[in-house]
Amino acid sequence: NAGVMQNPRHLVRRRGQEARLRCSPMKGHSHVYWYRQLPEEGLKFMVYLQKENIIDESGMPKERFSAEFPKEGPSILRIQQVVRGDSAAYFCASSGGRDNEQFFGPGTRLTVL
Amino acid sequence: QKEVEQDPGPLSVPEGAIVSLNCTYSNSAFQYFMWYRQYSRKGPELLMYTYSSGNKEDGRFTAQVDKSSKYISLFIRDSQPSDSATYLCAMSGATSGTYKYIFGTGTRLKVLA
Repeated sequence: NAGVMQNPRHLVRRRGQEARLRCSPMKGHSHVYWYRQLPEEGLKFMVYLQKENIIDESGMPKERFSAEFPKEGPSILRIQQVVRGDSAAYFCASSGGRDNEQFFGPGTRLTVL
Repeated sequence: QKEVEQDPGPLSVPEGAIVSLNCTYSNSAFQYFMWYRQYSRKGPELLMYTYSSGNKEDGRFTAQVDKSSKYISLFIRDSQPSDSATYLCAMSGATSGTYKYIFGTGTRLKVLA
């Protein structure tokens, strides 16, 4: 399967724990984007990364959230000290260039108890 | 006012009908216009990707962009029960970043057999 892969598909955390979401882009893609989808709301842009660089993190909360896309391995979205309001579906997308169409993964559904 | 407005539906149509889905937007700088289909608890699937104004056709799907009216449409011909899903419009432009997709909240479509 050459599509965007995300894991885990479902993640349950208690308040105060850390959540780590992983994304492997489509083969040949080096541009990765993270979006968050809250119930009854549209997808909201969080961050745009290329290998080893954060290009735009303007949509990401300043505290507790961080993202990386290392030279080797998947992109990771990390949420520290999760709160109930972090419960959402987190989607990763990838593209072959910043102006190219974005293809989305299946998402990670985070539930904070 | 949201940057992108989309009627949430649900929109119910009989099998074989022509479906019209629409979005309006307020940012005249948008240049790229996309339509995604999202099945329940799945990731968005890219259907159409267009640049600037005009029409684009792909199989049973036709996308129209009217920049003068800030209005985009997706038409589905010969609709099938398998088309039942939520349809998301998305758009982007150079001023905010062509990679930063702004999504509508989605229209739920039900095609009745």
